[in-house]
Amino acid sequence: DAKTTQPPSMDCAEGRAANLPCNHSTISGNEYVYWYRQIHSQGPQYIIHGLKNNETNEMASLIITEDRKSSTLILPHATLRDTAVYYCILLRGSNYQLIWGAGTKLIIKP
Amino acid sequence: ETGVTQSPTHLIKTRGQQVTLRCSSQSGHNTVSWYQQALGQGPQFIFQYYREEENGRGNFPPRFSGLQFPNYSSELNVNALELDDSALYLCASSSRTGKYEQYFGPGTRLTVT
Repeated sequence: DAKTTQPPSMDCAEGRAANLPCNHSTISGNEYVYWYRQIHSQGPQYIIHGLKNNETNEMASLIITEDRKSSTLILPHATLRDTAVYYCILLRGSNYQLIWGAGTKLIIKP
Repeated sequence: ETGVTQSPTHLIKTRGQQVTLRCSSQSGHNTVSWYQQALGQGPQFIFQYYREEENGRGNFPPRFSGLQFPNYSSELNVNALELDDSALYLCASSSRTGKYEQYFGPGTRLTVT
């Protein structure tokens, strides 16, 4: 019961912005949107999270729609090392538990 | 690197045996979560420990059990191993302040034959 929907795979050219969409149409008011990525055979890595407002850090930007039913993770200048599976996850603030879906396999091409 | 360590890295067991996996959490973190990740799938939540108490459990049978110690390190025990238990087992540590982000270890690859 992942509660998020992502495309199974995407390609992006090196140096371009990679935009990864996520649908979470049943999101509750107290659920945060988290993004993690997993490079092959490694443990997942935290990228960014948000509740209502758009967020930016040194790795990425997170754009959340006003109705909070979808979001987009933006990697502004993708490199080959950004090739990974990207997971969009909902976290309830009182629960601290992450329920994962299948993610999007992002392939960065030279 | 996150500072979360797991041991062993790889393990091969026979069906019916028991296994214990270990996780050392990042300094300052009091919460440990365990996940099972089958090949090609996202991690599946097993359970979470907060201050030595189980604090939430996913859809896993009782033969999956755990412990958290006073230094917040943790163990995952699996009894009566089945072939379907073959997977990457991930542990993640976090604190309940700030961003609630989880820091993952490299995982233990368990193969059951």
